[in-house]
Amino acid sequence: DAEITQSPRHKITETGRQVTLACHQTWNHNNMFWYRQDLGHGLRLIHYSYGVQDTNKGEVSDGYSVSRSNTEDLPLTLESAASSQTSVYFCASSEGEYQPQHFGDGTRLSIL
Amino acid sequence: ELKVEQNPLFLSMQEGKNYTIYCNYSTTSDRLYWYRQDPGKSLESLFVLLSNGAVKQEGRLMASLDTKARLSTLHITAAVHDLSATYFCAGLSAGNMLTFGGGTRLMVKP
Repeated sequence: DAEITQSPRHKITETGRQVTLACHQTWNHNNMFWYRQDLGHGLRLIHYSYGVQDTNKGEVSDGYSVSRSNTEDLPLTLESAASSQTSVYFCASSEGEYQPQHFGDGTRLSIL
Repeated sequence: ELKVEQNPLFLSMQEGKNYTIYCNYSTTSDRLYWYRQDPGKSLESLFVLLSNGAVKQEGRLMASLDTKARLSTLHITAAVHDLSATYFCAGLSAGNMLTFGGGTRLMVKP
């Protein structure tokens, strides 16, 4: 079965470190998204991509970057981790416009 | 810019009771989605509402959309414990971007 996989599931790191969260999907979806989930805020869009070599900023993109070198993967990088970036991060993909997004299981990131 | 608000944020109810979760959105949205999230888990798609007057039902859950009022509702009929979860609505804006509401945490007590 097709799926979307995030790794690691949990990570603890220190402020100032570079951190990369992986997202891999086998749906062959062109659209991929990264969200962060914080209590009281629901999910907020960080970055998104509509295909290889395409990346776009979302609502809360400061301090984050993504790259899309193939259809399956959209890694999220925190260039210099800050305590405010402690959150649960979800990756999602969708087949096309208007189709429901499929979510990964999330990565719980703690920055000390 | 699309903004989505849900209420209530927290709902505690007895098994067998009915209740409604409300989702208001600020500007025209192409689609309205409902998701369920169990604690520590991912989001599961429940409903996609495509047009004004759309109604979808799955088991004890029924979702509706009123685009003129910019309102979607998720109605729970005869709640059971298994429905305990957090429910999110999300509006779709141009470019397949979702804007989520803050979520409604539902607890159904025996």
